Amino acid sequence: DGGITQSPKYLFRKEGQNVTLSCEQNLNHDAMYWYRQDPGQGLRLIYYSQIVNDFQKGDIAEGYSVSREKKESFPLTVTSAQKNPTAFYLCASSITGTVNYGYTFGSGTRLTVV
Amino acid sequence: AQSVTQLDSQVPVFEEAPVELRCNYSSSVSVYLFWYVQYPNQGLQLLLKYLSGSTLVKGINGFEAEFNKSQTSFHLRKPSVHISDTAEYFCAVIKGNTPLVFGKGTRLSVIA
Repeated sequence: DGGITQSPKYLFRKEGQNVTLSCEQNLNHDAMYWYRQDPGQGLRLIYYSQIVNDFQKGDIAEGYSVSREKKESFPLTVTSAQKNPTAFYLCASSITGTVNYGYTFGSGTRLTVV
Repeated sequence: AQSVTQLDSQVPVFEEAPVELRCNYSSSVSVYLFWYVQYPNQGLQLLLKYLSGSTLVKGINGFEAEFNKSQTSFHLRKPSVHISDTAEYFCAVIKGNTPLVFGKGTRLSVIA
């Protein structure tokens, strides 16, 4: 079945460490997105990519980095510069050029700083 | 830039009662509107969407929503809720090729 796989489901990070969250899709979607979810704040856009080797900052990109070397993969690195990284991170993908199908979401990664 | 306001952060309702979750958007141009549902520790699942045409759209699990351009609203309704509808619901808007913008969510709690 086609879908988006995020791994790991739970991740613990020590302060000062970088950590990378994985997002892989087999839907042949061109566009991919990273959102951060905090209680009561909805989903906020971190980065998005509409084509391989290109990506744009979202509303809260500071302290994060991404790469898009393959169409299927869009990993997110949470760097030590991110002051409050504890959150639920959601990856999504969509077909470029149409909104007919909305976005498909992964099941998320919960990151906790210890 | 467009924005989305979900007017209620929490909505408790008794089982088999009707429910309405409110959503207003702000945009000076045409937009496309979505409702998503999120069960605990899971991703988001599309409930329904308004792209064009009939202003009353029907989605999965018995939910429906009405697009009201004059009031810039897209409220979600269900005539009779079940315990299994307990979840968080997000309204979202998209314009052109820009990414989805989400509201802050409404937590629906169905009481037996």
